[in-house]
Amino acid sequence: KQEVTQIPAALSVPEGENLVLNCSFTDSAIYNLQWFRQDPGKGLTSLLLIQSSQREQTSGRLNASLDKSSGRSTLYIAASQPGDSATYLCAGGTGANNLFFGTGTRLTVIP
Amino acid sequence: GAVVSQHPSWVICKSGTSVKIECRSLDFQATTMFWYRQFPKQSLMLMATSNEGSKATYEQGVEKDKFLINHASLTLSTLTVTSAHPEDSSFYICSAIRASGGRKLTDTQYFGPGTRLTVL
Repeated sequence: KQEVTQIPAALSVPEGENLVLNCSFTDSAIYNLQWFRQDPGKGLTSLLLIQSSQREQTSGRLNASLDKSSGRSTLYIAASQPGDSATYLCAGGTGANNLFFGTGTRLTVIP
Repeated sequence: GAVVSQHPSWVICKSGTSVKIECRSLDFQATTMFWYRQFPKQSLMLMATSNEGSKATYEQGVEKDKFLINHASLTLSTLTVTSAHPEDSSFYICSAIRASGGRKLTDTQYFGPGTRLTVL
């Protein structure tokens, strides 16, 4: 069974800093890797989706990479802003479109 | 496009009652919908996969008689928590895959905003 781990569990940074969130998965046979944002008490907002054949995806200040062989993905956030404060979840997509979610990283950007 | 809604957004009920949660794809047809549960400070756990016109597939440890799923149309799936108890209190989130004439393993899931269930 796929297990997804995210480190760190919580992170506080001053506004303007660049930061990296880490995600590791045990089963390299994934079809895609997705990063989500979740605000308190809210649903999920998809940020980036990387197909298994891709190495990275970029959207604005966000860049996500995928290394299937090592079972790792990273989410890079450039020039962080207070509005980036949220919980970030990664999820590995396996057969039958199942998504296995990590435990999340709670990010706080301090003004 | 690809908007998924859930109703209600929150519900409080007494122990022993049943609660129905709706998941709708507003601007696309969804042959497959997923139901997740999220306990406080934990991640999402898949409960079941709902396919239009057929029985849902439940994950190990999820009671199918307690969590009734109906996917009667290409835009609606419902989750009914029967005889709810306080331990069923959780955040329930659905997602949907856009129908594209054949399900691909790389299809994107579009998530609803979630339903907060509190059982007293």
